[in-house]
Amino acid sequence: GDSVTQMEGPVTLSEEAFLTINCTYTATGYPSLFWYVQYPGEGLQLLLKATKADDKGSNKGFEATYRKETTSFHLEKGSVQVSDSAVYFCALTGGSQGNLIFGKGTKLSVKP
Amino acid sequence: DSGVTQTPKHLITATGQRVTLRCSPRSGDLSVYWYQQSLDQGLQFLIHYYNGEERAKGNILERFSAQQFPDLHSELNLSSLELGDSALYFCASSYAIEINSGANVLTFGAGSRLTVL
Repeated sequence: GDSVTQMEGPVTLSEEAFLTINCTYTATGYPSLFWYVQYPGEGLQLLLKATKADDKGSNKGFEATYRKETTSFHLEKGSVQVSDSAVYFCALTGGSQGNLIFGKGTKLSVKP
Repeated sequence: DSGVTQTPKHLITATGQRVTLRCSPRSGDLSVYWYQQSLDQGLQFLIHYYNGEERAKGNILERFSAQQFPDLHSELNLSSLELGDSALYFCASSYAIEINSGANVLTFGAGSRLTVL
């Protein structure tokens, strides 16, 4: 079935460091891809999305490019801030139920 | 505030008991999804309702049930609770019946944290 694999965390970075969180997927058809972020004590918020191959989603300095040839949707940010500390989830639309399928999440901690 | 309201925020109960979690979707949204988030399983899809009708079931136990009412709010009922049911339960809403297009995204509530002792 459709699935999402994310790099295991936690990831600890210093402020202003470069961030990459890897995400690969397995899917039939042509899913849309998403990154959601969960700040401590809160629900998930949509960070960015891409709906077709080679699309680049971007928001708040984060970017991810839908790569069909490598079935990947890696999240990147050039300079992280302490306020970016959160859990990041990669997701795709798929499955027989037409719902969002999530990766296990990657916890990011940014130190000042 | 995402516009999706979940109550209660926290709930502590004992094994064997029954609880009801409530969700009010964002204004105008017709679809409600329930997800369970636990440390070992991650985010698991439980069930999807659209405009009062069940649309899809995921990894929902038989001890769990849900419904969506005419005013579009939804309730998730968990019965014969076990220690392993301790988790965060999220409700999410969207406008359309399916989320296959990226134009239709899920908006999540803040979750209900259930602790079973």
